[in-house]
Amino acid sequence: QKEVEQDPGPLSVPEGAIVSLNCTYSNSAFQYFMWYRQYSRKGPELLMYTYSSGNKEDGRFTAQVDKSSKYISLFIRDSQPSDSATYLCAMSEGQGGSEKLVFGKGTKLTVNP
Amino acid sequence: EAGVAQSPRYKIIEKRQSVAFWCNPISGHATLYWYQQILGQGPKLLIQFQNNGVVDDSQLPKDRFSAERLKGVDSTLKIQPAKLEDSAVYLCASSLLFGGISYEQYFGPGTRLTVT
Repeated sequence: QKEVEQDPGPLSVPEGAIVSLNCTYSNSAFQYFMWYRQYSRKGPELLMYTYSSGNKEDGRFTAQVDKSSKYISLFIRDSQPSDSATYLCAMSEGQGGSEKLVFGKGTKLTVNP
Repeated sequence: EAGVAQSPRYKIIEKRQSVAFWCNPISGHATLYWYQQILGQGPKLLIQFQNNGVVDDSQLPKDRFSAERLKGVDSTLKIQPAKLEDSAVYLCASSLLFGGISYEQYFGPGTRLTVT
């Protein structure tokens, strides 16, 4: 079993749709959970950063972490064509453990005008 | 604030040749990372530096890959000799170290390596 599993998609939605992206993981020591967005031929950029369980909202983006189920989600409301990119989940154990980021494979999202 | 700089952006070499990549992190960032991203995969950490010391190189294929970070600023990653399976994007990232903890990682645009 891979440490982090992410459905690679691709996912295609119409503009304005609500998008749900998910990852599961096996390492119960992960405490820090991140979502990165990667445009074609660019480096990843951090979108959302969550510590432990709970929800975090930033504009049209909401990140959820359920440590009991080892499951994290990213929701995008009112999706825009500019949201078309690959979304990578990433996790680390953080302070006291390994700071190494472990990434999922990424989900390629296309938002159609 | 200038971002992480990498060069070259693209490189094509034949197998068994050597290649080197350069990274200049964001000014003041003590931690520097090299990742390998194979097409269709997420980035995989190769090596992490804190200032000019190695923190984690457990996934670096040391028989062919080497990296250094002189004076705790710029870094180079070398592959010698290259294999076909080394074809990937090599990403450099840096983060600020504060209180012993490395925070948000900022990525450069990457170097796309093709080994033929």
